[in-house]
Amino acid sequence: IAGITQAPTSQILAAGRRMTLRCTQDMRHNAMYWYRQDLGLGLRLIHYSNTAGTTGKGEVPDGYSVSRANTDDFPLTLASAVPSQTSVYFCASSLSSGTGGADTQYFGPGTRLTVL
Amino acid sequence: GQNIDQPTEMTATEGAIVQINCTYQTSGFNGLFWYQQHAGEAPTFLSYNVLDGLEEKGRFSSFLSRSKGYSYLLLKELQMKDSASYLCAAMDSNYQLIWGAGTKLIIKP
Repeated sequence: IAGITQAPTSQILAAGRRMTLRCTQDMRHNAMYWYRQDLGLGLRLIHYSNTAGTTGKGEVPDGYSVSRANTDDFPLTLASAVPSQTSVYFCASSLSSGTGGADTQYFGPGTRLTVL
Repeated sequence: GQNIDQPTEMTATEGAIVQINCTYQTSGFNGLFWYQQHAGEAPTFLSYNVLDGLEEKGRFSSFLSRSKGYSYLLLKELQMKDSASYLCAAMDSNYQLIWGAGTKLIIKP
């Protein structure tokens, strides 16, 4: 693995189903992020993690949960999917969360999710 | 509130120069990022400015004026592969990125 990987690449999901989007990085970055990208809107932060074992809520956290059991993995779970969660989901990571200086965020290839 | 404004779409000619503007309002400021995003792909990092002035990196340059809450990305010697969306993002006092909706740049031969 080189960089950040996400799985699945795309998914069609029935409303009400549970879904976990996977994200793995091999850069030993401390901070990780989940964004959603919708047409005409900027990337919006769902959840973030500054370091393994800690997580925080972003701008649009409702309906989503995350965990950070180790440095490499940061899964995003939709407990009961709704059509408004149809979007492209990007995972990103940075060396640190920025304290002491801003660090560049690097993005995974994205997951295209459609909820019907 | 926090806000980033950039034009929705711009058109330019191959070989020419184009300037993409971005204005921002954030709670605190820890720098301004530019990313490039080709259709169907992930954003990729282009530049970071935290001090006023121009940063040059090959055909791409980025400018920042903190007093005006303003940045621009300058692309020279445009190539067809530069057709993409360009995302402006400002880092706030919590070191979180506030993103603009992106400027779609169309390059014509």
